[in-house]
Amino acid sequence: SQQGEEDPQALSIQEGENATMNCSYKTSINNLQWYRQNSGRGLVHLILIRSNEREKHSGRLRVTLDTSKKSSSLLITASRAADTASYFCATAARGRLTFGEGTQLTVNP
Amino acid sequence: DTEVTQTPKHLVMGMTNKKSLKCEQHMGHRAMYWYKQKAKKPPELMFVYSYEKLSINESVPSRFSPECPNSSLLNLHLHALQPEDSALYLCASSQAALSPYEQYFGPGTRLTVT
Repeated sequence: SQQGEEDPQALSIQEGENATMNCSYKTSINNLQWYRQNSGRGLVHLILIRSNEREKHSGRLRVTLDTSKKSSSLLITASRAADTASYFCATAARGRLTFGEGTQLTVNP
Repeated sequence: DTEVTQTPKHLVMGMTNKKSLKCEQHMGHRAMYWYKQKAKKPPELMFVYSYEKLSINESVPSRFSPECPNSSLLNLHLHALQPEDSALYLCASSQAALSPYEQYFGPGTRLTVT
């Protein structure tokens, strides 16, 4: 069953702007991961944040995790047209990854 | 080599056909996964293999039959599928089945059942 909900479902911004996507989940987790998927292709792992971490950075990505609110956010700074893709959060628990519904990000040149 | 390969890229099959999807990784990962993804939806876990043994079957219909011949290969045998089984089938691998490991995904097989 899918426990992650993401918002917004779709986001359209201009190149150079920042994009923020949010993810909520319902059960206890070991870690939370973010993945990117270009149209109809495989997923690419972006970043993993453990349940005892609150914030993590990787290049232009910043992820936060609030386990008390069961929520996470992904910030992409200085967006590029190449960032256009679907972004999924995924919670890791009981040997499984459970994906959220995803946010479709469009970055306009 | 951090690549997961899947063949074929596209597959069209009739409801009475038998076909197989193949997945391969050479990263030394000991966990491999099959996911099903419908258009505009997230991937849904089907099966997990850990150390070449089936560890999770998410109540998948028996017309889907997974097989892990060795630690690098994962197959999904298809038989008597329904049109609603048309989807993108994704294979993934990770160091081990238990978290916190990230998963590496293949490009998928686009399956159409006619």
